[in-house]
Amino acid sequence: EADIYQTPRYLVIGTGKKITLECSQTMGHDKMYWYQQDPGMELHLIHYSYGVNSTEKGDLSSESTVSRIRTEHFPLTLESARPSHTSQYLCASSDQKTSGSSDTQYFGPGTRLTVL
Amino acid sequence: SQQGEEDPQALSIQEGENATMNCSYKTSINNLQWYRQNSGRGLVHLILIRSNEREKHSGRLRVTLDTSKKSSSLLITASRAADTASYFCANHYGNNRLAFGKGNQVVVIP
Repeated sequence: EADIYQTPRYLVIGTGKKITLECSQTMGHDKMYWYQQDPGMELHLIHYSYGVNSTEKGDLSSESTVSRIRTEHFPLTLESARPSHTSQYLCASSDQKTSGSSDTQYFGPGTRLTVL
Repeated sequence: SQQGEEDPQALSIQEGENATMNCSYKTSINNLQWYRQNSGRGLVHLILIRSNEREKHSGRLRVTLDTSKKSSSLLITASRAADTASYFCANHYGNNRLAFGKGNQVVVIP
């Protein structure tokens, strides 16, 4: 099991609410990622970070924002949740120093978000 | 598109049988990885095959890579009920980013 954690695991919330999905890893990995995944579908990269104070937009446009103030912590925030944000959000990390170009990513268990 | 495509997308087999699934890309394949996802969980890395390799084994897993056809296959031998999961291929691109395919759902019937 990878040492990467996500909270909450499940969240049901009303439209317009601000939410923050937490992701933490204790492996000291520099790189962290957020993916969005609809049921039975592929993962889409929405944000990534190469280290502290580094954040980049992924391939899928998202209204969410992220921050990377500490190496181990990579939270994702939605300022105003909408039903279209209903999905599963997966956080991952990788360590370029040890994996070289292999880019093995270690995933958290995911947060299943439902916006009513 | 960076996204891969797996074929078939759903597979139901009896315990003990082999399961084969394929993955192809429209772009060139670099280092390719396969991941497993149990229902409602995160992904777990299974195996990596580098672009200069053609075949790789890990336990009951066998992966092949054909860069000229931009495709890869994953074979699970002697399947077990615990192998029931979705399997994703992921192609490396850019700076440490992975493009995931749509996934194969495998159900192993005890």
